[in-house]
Amino acid sequence: AQTVTQSQPEMSVQEAETVTLSCTYDTSESDYYLFWYKQPPSRQMILVIRQEAYKQQNATENRFSVNFQKAAKSFSLKISDSQLGDAAMYFCAWIGNKLVFGAGTILRVKS
Amino acid sequence: EAEVAQSPRYKITEKSQAVAFWCDPISGHATLYWYRQILGQGPELLVQFQDESVVDDSQLPKDRFSAERLKGVDSTLKIQPAELGDSAMYLCASSLSGTPYEQYFGPGTRLTVT
Repeated sequence: AQTVTQSQPEMSVQEAETVTLSCTYDTSESDYYLFWYKQPPSRQMILVIRQEAYKQQNATENRFSVNFQKAAKSFSLKISDSQLGDAAMYFCAWIGNKLVFGAGTILRVKS
Repeated sequence: EAEVAQSPRYKITEKSQAVAFWCDPISGHATLYWYRQILGQGPELLVQFQDESVVDDSQLPKDRFSAERLKGVDSTLKIQPAELGDSAMYLCASSLSGTPYEQYFGPGTRLTVT
């Protein structure tokens, strides 16, 4: 069975600094997508960044970038120049035939 | 910008009562998903529709949960009877046919069973 593991239940970062959220996954499939979703308190889940497994180049979206290590089955999210609005629950997710989520990491941003 | 609509946003019900949630996907999205998110956990797929047909309901507790999408547009998820363990956020998402990697989520319905 496919699993997604986020080993950091909670992380804190100072405003304007950089933070990295960790994620590992387990699958025997070779073609899949990986995602990071953001879920602010009482607000809907939004897609932060997406990585296609066949692409070796790491995805980047403005201040958000990933470190995708396919052989190690690792998919970390780096947030640069952290802002107060980045505070949220972050979910790592994998999709083969269906979307499988990790347990989430709460990110707190200190001013 | 088009969004997935869900109602109600919050629902409190007593155990053994029936409860229903409604979802209206983005116009043109043939695929609709219902997820359950227990507090402190990631969402888990309950049921997936392609138009009006169920594609995957392997994680749906069929003794008490039912889902329908009669005209292939909006959808209703029902629980009868509700149990204390059903307290959770129920999320609806939609995507264009063939693009499950581009799912758009609604705001969710937070259910509390007392």
